Amino acid sequence: DAGITQSPRYKITETGRQVTLMCHQTWSHSYMFWYRQDLGHGLRLIYYSAAADITDKGEVPDGYVVSRSKTENFPLTLESATRSQTSVYFCASSEQGFQRNQPQHFGDGTRLSIL
Amino acid sequence: DQQVKQNSPSLSVQEGRISILNCDYTNSMFDYFLWYKKYPAEGPTFLISISSIKDKNEDGRFTVFLNKSAKHLSLHIVPSQPGDSAVYFCAASARNAGGTSYGKLTFGQGTILTVHP
Repeated sequence: DAGITQSPRYKITETGRQVTLMCHQTWSHSYMFWYRQDLGHGLRLIYYSAAADITDKGEVPDGYVVSRSKTENFPLTLESATRSQTSVYFCASSEQGFQRNQPQHFGDGTRLSIL
Repeated sequence: DQQVKQNSPSLSVQEGRISILNCDYTNSMFDYFLWYKKYPAEGPTFLISISSIKDKNEDGRFTVFLNKSAKHLSLHIVPSQPGDSAVYFCAASARNAGGTSYGKLTFGQGTILTVHP
């Protein structure tokens, strides 16, 4: 089915571990985004990508690494997880990035708990 | 520094009545505003948007109003339905220094809307 999918949906890990969250979209959208949702903060942009091999920092990039070797995939890696990174993570995509009439489409999220 | 604020964490209304969700912003560079709706265990879905050159945009039961001088926008849902119960996020974007279309979204904290039958 066409759309944007995130995996895993739920993940529990320990501090100091590396964890990668996957995001895959089938629309061939150019732009992809990673957000985290925390109580009291809404959604905050972590990283975004305008195209394959082009990425840029968002509002809260520290502790995260992204890559975009293929248009359809945009994995987010926590290299050494910390408890403060416990959150719900959303991936999104849009056809023309930040154009007004091209709203971002979101995946269903990954709930990450770091013990 | 919260540039987009939704000061009401929750709102409860009766079915058939009007729901009004509010959002305030501080960044005068914001020129495009969006509302997203989110159900539990799902991602946000786009609902309606408005450009700063307008003060109102309507789509069916949903109307967004923008008051630029007050840096305030609101979402009206008329009539409210139980299926509208969800978290509503407002978001804003600004043009970059070059003046081109740009829209890194800044989200508010969200408001939980509950519509009672």
